[in-house]
Amino acid sequence: AQTVTQSQPEMSVQEAETVTLSCTYDTSESDYYLFWYKQPPSRQMILVIRQEAYKQQNATENRFSVNFQKAAKSFSLKISDSQLGDAAMYFCAYRRRNQFYFGTGTSLTVIP
Amino acid sequence: DTAVSQTPKYLVTQMGNDKSIKCEQNLGHDTMYWYKQDSKKFLKIMFSYNNKELIINETVPNRFSPKSPDKAHLNLHINSLELGDSAVYFCASSRGDVTEAFFGQGTRLTVV
Repeated sequence: AQTVTQSQPEMSVQEAETVTLSCTYDTSESDYYLFWYKQPPSRQMILVIRQEAYKQQNATENRFSVNFQKAAKSFSLKISDSQLGDAAMYFCAYRRRNQFYFGTGTSLTVIP
Repeated sequence: DTAVSQTPKYLVTQMGNDKSIKCEQNLGHDTMYWYKQDSKKFLKIMFSYNNKELIINETVPNRFSPKSPDKAHLNLHINSLELGDSAVYFCASSRGDVTEAFFGQGTRLTVV
């Protein structure tokens, strides 16, 4: 069974600073996809970033980047130059074929 | 155009009632999902469905049933509602095995 673990239920960051959210996953597969989703208070699930397991290069989307360590089964999200609008729940997700598995989420607070 | 839309956004109903939540996607995706998000924000897969296969999470009570009239729609029927069914229910869709899941805006179900 695939499981996704987010060990930080809550995190906080000063505005304009950098924060890293952790995620580990358990799988015996070699071909899969990893995602980070953001859920603001509006409750809409918004894709932040995607990583294909076969790509060694870490994905980057503007201020968001990942550190993908396939052997360690680790997939952390780095948010640079944090903004007030980044405050939200962040979910790490693993996809294998048609199944998505989500972590328990990290609540990020951005301090002005 | 909204990619994945759910109706209603809010639903308040009494214990014992039967209710449905509708979901439609206009992305041409071949797989649709229902997730339940509880008060602790845990996202739990309930069903995944494509033309060929319905996968049911074994922990889902049989009072819950998905109904798919066509590829673009996956409705959720709930019989004999219980207090513990109160949660936010998300519909999502994806294409093949190479994309992220696109989520609807969620339906907050409150059973009183």
